[in-house]
Order: sequence, then C-alpha cells, then structure tokens
Amino acid sequence: KQEVTQIPAALSVPEGENLVLNCSFTDSAIYNLQWFRQDPGKGLTSLLLIQSSQREQTSGRLNASLDKSSGRSTLYIAASQPGDSATYLCAVRPEGGSQGNLIFGKGTKLSVKP
Amino acid sequence: ETGVTQSPTHLIKTRGQQVTLRCSSQSGHNTVSWYQQALGQGPQFIFQYYREEENGRGNFPPRFSGLQFPNYSSELNVNALELDDSALYLCASNSGGPGGVGDYEQYFGPGTRLTVT
Repeated sequence: KQEVTQIPAALSVPEGENLVLNCSFTDSAIYNLQWFRQDPGKGLTSLLLIQSSQREQTSGRLNASLDKSSGRSTLYIAASQPGDSATYLCAVRPEGGSQGNLIFGKGTKLSVKP
Repeated sequence: ETGVTQSPTHLIKTRGQQVTLRCSSQSGHNTVSWYQQALGQGPQFIFQYYREEENGRGNFPPRFSGLQFPNYSSELNVNALELDDSALYLCASNSGGPGGVGDYEQYFGPGTRLTVT
C-alpha cells in the first residue's frame, strides 16, 4: 500500500531564507508526483508536476526534484516571502491507478515571518 | 483561479441526513475526481468519473455516490451522514482519459466545508 510522508510537519523561517520541504513515498511504482499549495480552508493550487522519467522541474523560485528509486522528492523554495506561507502537499499517482487517484501526504505547514 | 468551481461553500447537516455537493469542471475536462480532506490530513481519493461513468474508487462505502453530466458538472452524494463525514470536500478535474499512461495536472476547486452535527 502506497504511503506518502512529509517532513517536517511545520516549518517557520524568516523572510529571505531558502528552504527545502521533503516528501517520501513507499512504492516507487508511480506515474508522477505533484506538489500543491493549500491556503487555510481553501482548495489546492498545483505548483509543479514531475513525470516519473524526470529528475526535476522548475517554476520561478520553486524547484522540485524526484528520485523515484529511493522514493524521495524535495521542494526547494528560494528567497522565501511572507506570501509563501501556506501548507504544501505532495501527491503521487500510483502506476495502474486512474488519472485522478492521487495519494497525498499530510503536508508541511510553512510560515514565513517578515 | 483553476476554472473549477464548487457549491455550496459551507454546509451544516444533521447525522442521518443526505447531502449533495456540486462541482463544475473546466471546459474540456472529461475526468473529475472527488476527495475528502479531514482537518489536519491530506486529501483522500473518493472516486473518479470519466464521461459520466465511475472508473475508479477509493476506500469509501457505497453511501458515497456520484454523478457526472455532459455539461462538465458533477455531484457528490452522501447518504446517512455520520459525524466523521465532517470534512472539506474537493473536486478536481483534468483533461486526461480514464487511466493508463499520460500525465495530466489535477485542477482543484475551492472545496465545500461540510459539518455534520
């Protein structure tokens, strides 16, 4: 059974710091991994999608890496800003699963202080 | 803005009642999925619909059911509500097919907060 774990559960950093969020999964048989952002009480916003054949994806100040064989992904946020404060979720789509069947971690709650 | 909308925003129901939640997908997205997110947890997959047929289901009982319509709208119905059904319900759509290879981003709506008392 696929399980996704995110460490740390919460993180507080001063504005301007670079930071790394971690995601691990137990079964390497995945089609892709997706990182999302969720603001309190709101829906999810897709940040980056990494296909199983890729090693990393970049969007602006965000860079996500994927090491499928070891079951790990990291989300790197450069020069953090207070507006980055949110919960960050990673999710994998298992091989053989339907398009919408994503397995999520519990998230990392990020607080960036001015 | 993802182009996915959900209604209502909030809902309060009593244990044993039935509820219908609604979602409007992005135009052109034939696949819609529903998720339940309890407080402090990640979303859990309920089921997926492709062209009006259910084609994938998570570990949820039959009292959770759905419908998808040709106009890119869909519904999640929950019968015999229990206190543990209190959660944020999210729908997500994508332009992919029902399964197989292919990488399609999931676009999520803002969610419906259901409280069961």
